[in-house]
Amino acid sequence: GENVEQHPSTLSVQEGDSAVIKCTYSDSASNYFPWYKQELGKGPQLIIDIRSNVGEKKDQRIAVTLNKTAKHFSLHITETQPEDSAVYFCAARDPTGYSTLTFGKGTMLLVSP
Amino acid sequence: NAGVTQTPKFRVLKTGQSMTLLCAQDMNHEYMYWYRQDPGMGLRLIHYSVGEGTTAKGEVPDGYNVSRLKKQNFLLGLESAAPSQTSVYFCASSYRVQPQHFGDGTRLSIL
Repeated sequence: GENVEQHPSTLSVQEGDSAVIKCTYSDSASNYFPWYKQELGKGPQLIIDIRSNVGEKKDQRIAVTLNKTAKHFSLHITETQPEDSAVYFCAARDPTGYSTLTFGKGTMLLVSP
Repeated sequence: NAGVTQTPKFRVLKTGQSMTLLCAQDMNHEYMYWYRQDPGMGLRLIHYSVGEGTTAKGEVPDGYNVSRLKKQNFLLGLESAAPSQTSVYFCASSYRVQPQHFGDGTRLSIL
């Protein structure tokens, strides 16, 4: 089955800096890669996703890049704000089944004012 | 528009007891999912449903049962709770295959 590794497990930045979270996946057939943000005491929230036929996708201050050859994808947050502080999860979709996303173990992002 | 609502929010059980977690969505989504979240483990899929009356096993289905009698509701049952089932349980729904909208979770402790 699919295996997703996520790094780093914790990330501290100053407000206004950029943050990058990286994930690698094992199944070259995986074709969908979402990112979720989870605030304390809340459920995950889908913030951006990318499909295997696209190399980069942007949405305001967040972007995701995908390198299929190396089997890794990254979340980039620019001009970080304190409200960006949360746990971020990457995931990869196993194409052999319905909705069988495999999640990374999460990155706790702390943005200090 | 409430989105995805999970009840209860917290529960403490004794080993061997049974209970049902309820998930309700008001977005007319076909797909619904149950995940569990454990420290350092990310989210793992327990069961899912692709429509009313259908259910399927996910990655960690043992010890759980589910039912989708109505499109808007997805129930997760524990017939005989075990300490290993102490976790935070999340329900999600979507109109497409990948989960989009999550509830705020049920925190379940089994003593």
